[in-house]
Amino acid sequence: QVQLVESGGGVVQPGQSLRLSCTASGFTFSSEGFHWVRQSPGKGLEWLAHISYDGSNTYYADSVKGRFTISRDNSKNTLFLQMNSLRSEDTAVYYCAKEGSGSAWDFYYGMDVWGQGTKVTVS
Amino acid sequence: EIVLTQSPATLSLSPGERATLSCRASQSVSTYLAWYQQRPGQAPRLLIYDASNRATGIPARFSGSGSETDFTLTISSLEPEDLGVYYCQQRSNWPTSWSFGQGTKVEIK
Repeated sequence: QVQLVESGGGVVQPGQSLRLSCTASGFTFSSEGFHWVRQSPGKGLEWLAHISYDGSNTYYADSVKGRFTISRDNSKNTLFLQMNSLRSEDTAVYYCAKEGSGSAWDFYYGMDVWGQGTKVTVS
Repeated sequence: EIVLTQSPATLSLSPGERATLSCRASQSVSTYLAWYQQRPGQAPRLLIYDASNRATGIPARFSGSGSETDFTLTISSLEPEDLGVYYCQQRSNWPTSWSFGQGTKVEIK
């Protein structure tokens, strides 16, 4: 079935780096765009980054621009988030999500598949 | 940057009642708006895309409406399993970015 599975979370000290992975199955990974979204403890959802189907276009929220890098390996059906210079405020559950797609060119299809999340603690 | 403001912050209703959730954008997003449900301890789930289209497998009691800056998610008859936090989310093209509202918590009495 269609599935996203995140990994790589853990406890790190401020200033350190961490790389998250998101492995996809059940659909054609190389045809889809993806996002990283995080949720700090007790807070709402925060969009972080997007990558296009072929990796040629990336976009970032101001809060992580210059520190986080989204990338992908289409040969391994895997999405990545490299996080550098981590701060205590980066403590959160990190989700990967697939951008929805369809036949209508002017529709917004939302984020239609989500992983279960991986927890990152910066302390 | 487009800011989404959701209201109310919390909605407490009984099973069978109608729930109306609002999402207002700081500038027009056309119909590039989606709604998500997040049950306690779970990942978000897509409910509505392009403002008014139900995602696959979503019950007919969920409906979305609106365009430009004002959007509504309606749950016509609340079920106990509808408790959770509901988020609206937009995509803008110029500049290209995405953002979420702060969420509305739905409690079942």
